[in-house]
Amino acid sequence: DVKVTQSSRYLVKRTGEKVFLECVQDMDHENMFWYRQDPGLGLRLIYFSYDVKMKEKGDIPEGYSVSREKKERFSLILESASTNQTSMYLCASSLISGGANTEAFFGQGTRLTVV
Amino acid sequence: EDQVTQSPEALRLQEGESSSLNCSYTVSGLRGLFWYRQDPGKGPEFLFTLYSAGEEKEKERLKATLTKKESFLHITAPKPEDSATYLCAVQVSGGSYIPTFGRGTSLIVHP
Repeated sequence: DVKVTQSSRYLVKRTGEKVFLECVQDMDHENMFWYRQDPGLGLRLIYFSYDVKMKEKGDIPEGYSVSREKKERFSLILESASTNQTSMYLCASSLISGGANTEAFFGQGTRLTVV
Repeated sequence: EDQVTQSPEALRLQEGESSSLNCSYTVSGLRGLFWYRQDPGKGPEFLFTLYSAGEEKEKERLKATLTKKESFLHITAPKPEDSATYLCAVQVSGGSYIPTFGRGTSLIVHP
């Protein structure tokens, strides 16, 4: 089974802190994604990576950056945490097959609270 | 712009009361449509992929169908453990690897 592991289930950070969320997948997937999920807003894409060191901005990249130095690991960085970044953060990975994206496998989520 | 709309937003059923969830899409070219189940506080879990109109997939009490404009997730004789949020997502043709997600349908099945 594909496994996507996020480093923390719950995090509490202070306003202004630099926050690192780590995600590791074990199935050699090319694509990796970071989403945030808020009630009533659904899943919103923050960043996407289709290869090592490659990244694309999603719908809401402001205040975030990412790093993908190894294929299996995709990190989300909150440069200076703010209370409006309190949310559930979800990492996902997927395979490219036949030139198309296959289904995504999600991590268990990180519930981040910024105080 | 690619759009995915799920309805209803929320659905309450009695145990055994069959129903359907809808996912309608407006995309330039469909490469695949995915259904996921999400339990509270957890990440979404993959259920089905549908690729072409007329295709159907089944798993226990769930059956997913696809037309050229929408997909249905039929739930037959649901049980309380089927309570979850159901998400659909579409993958368009044309090179983008970013799926477009709907906002989901929250299903509650009462015993």
